[in-house]
Amino acid sequence: DGGITQSPKYLFRKEGQNVTLSCEQNLNHDAMYWYRQDPGQGLRLIYYSQIVNDFQKGDIAEGYSVSREKKESFPLTVTSAQKNPTAFYLCASKGFAGANVLTFGAGSRLTVL
Amino acid sequence: GQQVMQIPQYQHVQEGEDFTTYCNSSTTLSNIQWYKQRPGGHPVFLIQLVKSGEVKKQKRLTFQFGEAKKNSSLHITATQTTDVGTYFCAGNYGGSQGNLIFGKGTKLSVKP
Repeated sequence: DGGITQSPKYLFRKEGQNVTLSCEQNLNHDAMYWYRQDPGQGLRLIYYSQIVNDFQKGDIAEGYSVSREKKESFPLTVTSAQKNPTAFYLCASKGFAGANVLTFGAGSRLTVL
Repeated sequence: GQQVMQIPQYQHVQEGEDFTTYCNSSTTLSNIQWYKQRPGGHPVFLIQLVKSGEVKKQKRLTFQFGEAKKNSSLHITATQTTDVGTYFCAGNYGGSQGNLIFGKGTKLSVKP
């Protein structure tokens, strides 16, 4: 089955540590996205990439970094510069053919201790 | 910047009652989408509305897009416990390549 795999599902980190969240898709989608979800805040766009080796900042990119070396993979690094990193992180992808519809992964929940 | 406002933030209903959530944009949308996120889950696409005044139905769910393409609603008739979750609208301002702007969602709880 095609889909998006995010790992790890749960992650704990100490303050000052960088962590990397994995996102892999086998949908052959060109565009990939990272969203952050906080209670009552909806989904806020962190970074997105429409093609390999290119990515753009979203609304809340500060303290995060990404790479897009392969079409299938779009890892997100939460750096120590992110002041409030505890959140639920969702990766999504979209194909350019057809409707402008996002397919989401199951999410990664990051807790900073 | 562009913003999609969604109300209410929470809605508690008795099973069998109706439920409606509303989204509003200050500027015209290219289209609007609706997603559902079950508790502990991830958003799942429900529907996309493109045309002015469009109405679409999925069983007990009715989706509407306003004539001015600035507002939308999702109405659920006779809610069931399986309807529990958070419903998000997502506005698209830029056509097929545009990024979606999500509303903050309406969290629906249904009392059996």
